[in-house]
Amino acid sequence: ELKVEQNPLFLSMQEGKNYTIYCNYSTTSDRLYWYRQDPGKSLESLFVLLSNGAVKQEGRLMASLDTKARLSTLHITAAVHDLSATYFCAVVFVQGAQKLVFGQGTRLTINP
Amino acid sequence: GAGVSQSPSNKVTEKGKDVELRCDPISGHTALYWYRQSLGQGLEFLIYFQGNSAPDKSGLPSDRFSAERTGGSVSTLTIQRTQQEDSAVYLCASSSRLAGGAETQYFGPGTRLLVL
Repeated sequence: ELKVEQNPLFLSMQEGKNYTIYCNYSTTSDRLYWYRQDPGKSLESLFVLLSNGAVKQEGRLMASLDTKARLSTLHITAAVHDLSATYFCAVVFVQGAQKLVFGQGTRLTINP
Repeated sequence: GAGVSQSPSNKVTEKGKDVELRCDPISGHTALYWYRQSLGQGLEFLIYFQGNSAPDKSGLPSDRFSAERTGGSVSTLTIQRTQQEDSAVYLCASSSRLAGGAETQYFGPGTRLLVL
């Protein structure tokens, strides 16, 4: 079964703190994406990760991929309120054609 | 340039009626996808079109759902005899092939469907 699981599903943190969101997937993946969704809005692409050991950074967000562990992480450094959103990881499985299989989403709330 | 657009943005319908949802992909994108997002099921793939190839319909939940893509551009998702469990946000995405397979799916704003 093609499954993507995120952890945690809800995260409330203070500004200035660091935290990590985890994304596990069930079988060999072609590529992995991170998206951001603000309330009532659509999905905004953040990162695409293609290979083992890939690391990408944009501002206070850094994503990494370990294909052997079937794990991706999204690390937030010195969080600011503007990063409050729901974050989804999504995987294209080798046997799943081109469709994205999404995790459940992590609702991140950053408090002043 | 313009992103993916969808219409209508909101649709309220009565149970049993048919609805049509429209998607205009980014110009030049050959691939088009439909997903739906609901509280109970999260984000689910529905259907995928790539160029002139036969669509991948593996995510359509029942035969009440169908989609077409005319002229390789605009797509319409049709739901016949709507049920309350069809209430969700229907998202369209498009992408183009990039070297190394790094294509990204760009999402539209969605159509929020409410079936009463």
